[in-house]
Amino acid sequence: AQSVAQPEDQVNVAEGNPLTVKCTYSVSGNPYLFWYVQYPNRGLQFLLKYITGDNLVKGSYGFEAEFNKSQTSFHLKKPSALVSDSALYFCAVRDSGRYKLSFGAGTTVTVRA
Amino acid sequence: EAGVTQFPSHSVIEKGQTVTLRCDPISGHDNLYWYRRVMGKEIKFLLHFVKESKQDESGMPNNRFLAERTGGTYSTLKVQPAELEDSGVYFCASSQANEQYFGPGTRLTVT
Repeated sequence: AQSVAQPEDQVNVAEGNPLTVKCTYSVSGNPYLFWYVQYPNRGLQFLLKYITGDNLVKGSYGFEAEFNKSQTSFHLKKPSALVSDSALYFCAVRDSGRYKLSFGAGTTVTVRA
Repeated sequence: EAGVTQFPSHSVIEKGQTVTLRCDPISGHDNLYWYRRVMGKEIKFLLHFVKESKQDESGMPNNRFLAERTGGTYSTLKVQPAELEDSGVYFCASSQANEQYFGPGTRLTVT
């Protein structure tokens, strides 16, 4: 079985401050981890992934995520948030031997000017 | 390169009616997936095609749902007859490697 938890429904930060969106996962094999973002009235956009290698992965729009195997976490970070980062963020995982993704419930990020 | 497209963007039907959703994957992507998000909950996997073959349909909720991918190109997802609990956003995704690319979704409302 595979699952994802996003413990925060909402994250509110001021523009220019660091942004962190939390994600923990559970898989039986090696995890393939992904972050997606959904802007209002748009589809899911791929941000970044962890498959293997460096624990810190960099993605689109200045986002990065850190894979922590011992804590089974894959938190999304951005050093300096922008108002345009306000959106719904989804963490997803799949076992290396499978294709289907399991998603978290999503975290709504609001960046205030 | 065109992304994943879905049609229609929004559909409102009455309980008991039939609806067919369409997905056009990114050209050359052998893998095609259907997911749905119901009532603001988690996005749930429905099924996975590799070319025209159903690789995994473990997420299909019941036999009112029928997915096809004739010729290994576009896919359709038919709901017949629709029930109130089928309301939600249906996403299609395609992939050739590890990351899946999603379409904008079809918002289905069953009244």
